[in-house]
Amino acid sequence: DTAVSQTPKYLVTQMGNDKSIKCEQNLGHDTMYWYKQDSKKFLKIMFSYNNKELIINETVPNRFSPKSPDKAHLNLHINSLELGDSAVYFCASSQDIGGDYSYEQYFGPGTRLTVT
Amino acid sequence: ILNVEQSPQSLHVQEGDSTNFTCSFPSSNFYALHWYRWETAKSPEALFVMTLNGDEKKKGRISATLNTKEGYSYLYIKGSQPEDSATYLCAFVKAAGNKLTFGGGTRVLVKP
Repeated sequence: DTAVSQTPKYLVTQMGNDKSIKCEQNLGHDTMYWYKQDSKKFLKIMFSYNNKELIINETVPNRFSPKSPDKAHLNLHINSLELGDSAVYFCASSQDIGGDYSYEQYFGPGTRLTVT
Repeated sequence: ILNVEQSPQSLHVQEGDSTNFTCSFPSSNFYALHWYRWETAKSPEALFVMTLNGDEKKKGRISATLNTKEGYSYLYIKGSQPEDSATYLCAFVKAAGNKLTFGGGTRVLVKP
């Protein structure tokens, strides 16, 4: 059983389109995250949700909107896609409560987004 | 912007040899340090979370130490095996409620 799953694994789309990436965790964790692996391969946090509530919102364009229908799911919707959005996006979850960050994070397999 | 640096960026190790590499972070405030192992085409996998100065953690042949006063952590691999080939990431947390800031990773290649 996959602990943290993401769909799709690959996403190729044209500029200007709107797309969503879904993430689900079956670990019973309260906190979920979205990370972007940038062009230099660094992992940078975008959003963090604890029990469906947003607790970290890094400086990302407001074209990116996370949605957490329940604590096991955190989806990422991207409007008006731009070339610069091409990257690998990782979802993760942890036992942390309220942004403690002293527990290990479990990562999904990543979604490679290519905007043409 | 927090400076979390890992060195070296990459290293080649002969199978059976031991190796170590460094994660440096600001020593002024410290809450936690994470280590992750990231194999090519997979997702990062947690190794350790360290929260106390002087912490030492061990998992099989991999171990880590932490010095929060001087702002560094070492990761050691004893008797490297080809399956240890991966990028090793550290991530620093300055304070409770702060995000993880990842270093750029040390890419380890173990040659048979």
